[in-house]
Amino acid sequence: LAKTTQPISMDSYEGQEVNITCSHNNIATNDYITWYQQFPSQGPRFIIQGYKTKVTNEVASLFIPADRKSSTLSLPRVSLSDTAVYYCLVGDMGWDTDKLIFGTGTRLQVFP
Amino acid sequence: DADVTQTPRNRITKTGKRIMLECSQTKGHDRMYWYRQDPGLGLRLIYYSFDVKDINKGEISDGYSVSRQAQAKFSLSLESAIPNQTALYFCATSDQPSDRAYNEQFFGPGTRLTVL
Repeated sequence: LAKTTQPISMDSYEGQEVNITCSHNNIATNDYITWYQQFPSQGPRFIIQGYKTKVTNEVASLFIPADRKSSTLSLPRVSLSDTAVYYCLVGDMGWDTDKLIFGTGTRLQVFP
Repeated sequence: DADVTQTPRNRITKTGKRIMLECSQTKGHDRMYWYRQDPGLGLRLIYYSFDVKDINKGEISDGYSVSRQAQAKFSLSLESAIPNQTALYFCATSDQPSDRAYNEQFFGPGTRLTVL
């Protein structure tokens, strides 16, 4: 089971790009990297998932280097509404969903 | 997510009482999960069910039990509530993995439980 390490918190200002890096040194061959976002008193919400290289959707980009031992969630031009906790999960999404660990996540605070 | 509902949304109870939290989903997913979240911490898995006849313990199942009444319903019970079970409880669902990617979990709005 791949353990992940993320910064506890980050601060940013509106309009800036935010990059949150997650370390997962013992990622397995079948593991995917998934990021969730959680607002206060709400359940987490899926943001993006990837296996290697780069994935982009309407919300974020996910950069994964060739060795896959880390990944970076990139949020372009953040706004106040991006203030939330971001969780990096690593695991085999097909069959080991139960083993996915949310951890404490990264608390992003966006200032005006 | 409106497709996953939890009742009640808030509950205050006393030590020793039996409490049931209910979760319903209209997404048609086979897999359902119960998590708890303590202030400032991540989510921890209590129980999960991959179909109606399947129940599995998660990381922190002691003091809890579950019932999967139907595909759409998954209930969590605290047989004898204690104060350290005060937390925010989330139900989640996910589909069977037809594609190994994008097997995301969809979470309910949460139930805030306080045990006095």
